[in-house]
Amino acid sequence: EAQVTQNPRYLITVTGKKLTVTCSQNMNHEYMSWYRQDPGLGLRQIYYSMNVEVTDKGDVPEGYKVSRKEKRNFPLILESPSPNQTSLYFCASSLSWSLGNTEAFFGQGTRLTVV
Amino acid sequence: AQSVTQLDSQVPVFEEAPVELRCNYSSSVSVYLFWYVQYPNQGLQLLLKYLSGSTLVESINGFEAEFNKSQTSFHLRKPSVHISDTAEYFCAVSEGGSARQLTFGSGTQLTVLP
Repeated sequence: EAQVTQNPRYLITVTGKKLTVTCSQNMNHEYMSWYRQDPGLGLRQIYYSMNVEVTDKGDVPEGYKVSRKEKRNFPLILESPSPNQTSLYFCASSLSWSLGNTEAFFGQGTRLTVV
Repeated sequence: AQSVTQLDSQVPVFEEAPVELRCNYSSSVSVYLFWYVQYPNQGLQLLLKYLSGSTLVESINGFEAEFNKSQTSFHLRKPSVHISDTAEYFCAVSEGGSARQLTFGSGTQLTVLP
């Protein structure tokens, strides 16, 4: 089954403790991205990757890191989480960055709470 | 830069009544337009999209949206809603040539009442 898989689904952590949220897709997609969803703000892009070893900042990259060493994986790293990073996070992937001939597929989400 | 405005954050409606969820966008170039639906505790699913051609696009579950270039709108409509349509709906725009891919509106919570 074609899917985007995020882990964990739920995470509670303390301020300053490094964490990684994993994202994996099995569709051989080139483009992957991370969003955070906050009430009243919709989804905002954190980082995106157009292919292996190619990543760039989205609209809200501060406090996050990403890497794309393999095509299927795109982990989101919070080196020193803070309470303002409490949010619902979504990973997405698509065949290419242009959605004219493809579709963006979303993971189930990771609900992160930083205390 | 593109932006998306969803004018209503909450829309309550009775079952079998019609509904319209409003979406306006701003962009200086050509765009693709999308509606996504998010059911409770789930990810986003594509509901329908406008790429080019006919300005009226439809989904398999009875929703439709019309692209209006002069009003820069892409409102979502359904003539008769069901309880199962209760969800949050997001309008999104993809600007031609932008690698950032999707800009989302703030979302509209549709609640269908019995």
